[in-house]
Amino acid sequence: AQKVTQAQTEISVVEKEDVTLDCVYETRDTTYYLFWYKQPPSGELVFLIRRNSFDEQNEISGRYSWNFQKSTSSFNFTITASQVVDSAVYFCALSHSGGGADGLTFGKGTHLIIQP
Amino acid sequence: DGGITQSPKYLFRKEGQNVTLSCEQNLNHDAMYWYRQDPGQGLRLIYYSQIVNDFQKGDIAEGYSVSREKKESFPLTVTSAQKNPTAFYLCASSILGKGSSYNEQFFGPGTRLTVL
Repeated sequence: AQKVTQAQTEISVVEKEDVTLDCVYETRDTTYYLFWYKQPPSGELVFLIRRNSFDEQNEISGRYSWNFQKSTSSFNFTITASQVVDSAVYFCALSHSGGGADGLTFGKGTHLIIQP
Repeated sequence: DGGITQSPKYLFRKEGQNVTLSCEQNLNHDAMYWYRQDPGQGLRLIYYSQIVNDFQKGDIAEGYSVSREKKESFPLTVTSAQKNPTAFYLCASSILGKGSSYNEQFFGPGTRLTVL
């Protein structure tokens, strides 16, 4: 069975601090995809990144960066110089299989609070 | 604008009544999904469909039913058999991946169902 663990239920930092959200996953598949989504107070999930299991390169997009380490089954997300608009719930998710489109397994989410 | 619409945003029903949640997409995506989110929890997969007139159960399908008569529409019925129907329901869609690829899912704004 697949599983995604986001151990940090809630994180609160002051604006401009860097913050890292942890994600640990379990799967028996050799091919899989990992995702991060942002859920602002409005409720709609916003896609942030997709990473496949064969690509361990770290990725940077503006203030966001992702660290994928297959050896530790982790896919951590870092926000540099956080802003109040980054306040949201962030979900890490794992594809059920290497192909097709049969749904995602989500972690329970990390509620990030950025204080001004 | 292309996207996913869900209606209504808020829905109230009396215990013992069936209720249908609407989900429409104009992204020309093949696959559609329904997830349920409870407070402080991640999303859990209810049903998904990869093609018209075909759908599969997800992790928590009991008490729910779906149909996929058109590519752009994937309504979810919450039946009276669902023991705890009060939740936030999110619909999503995606392009089907080729080979072992798995594409990101795009989400609608959600419907918050409350059983009185």
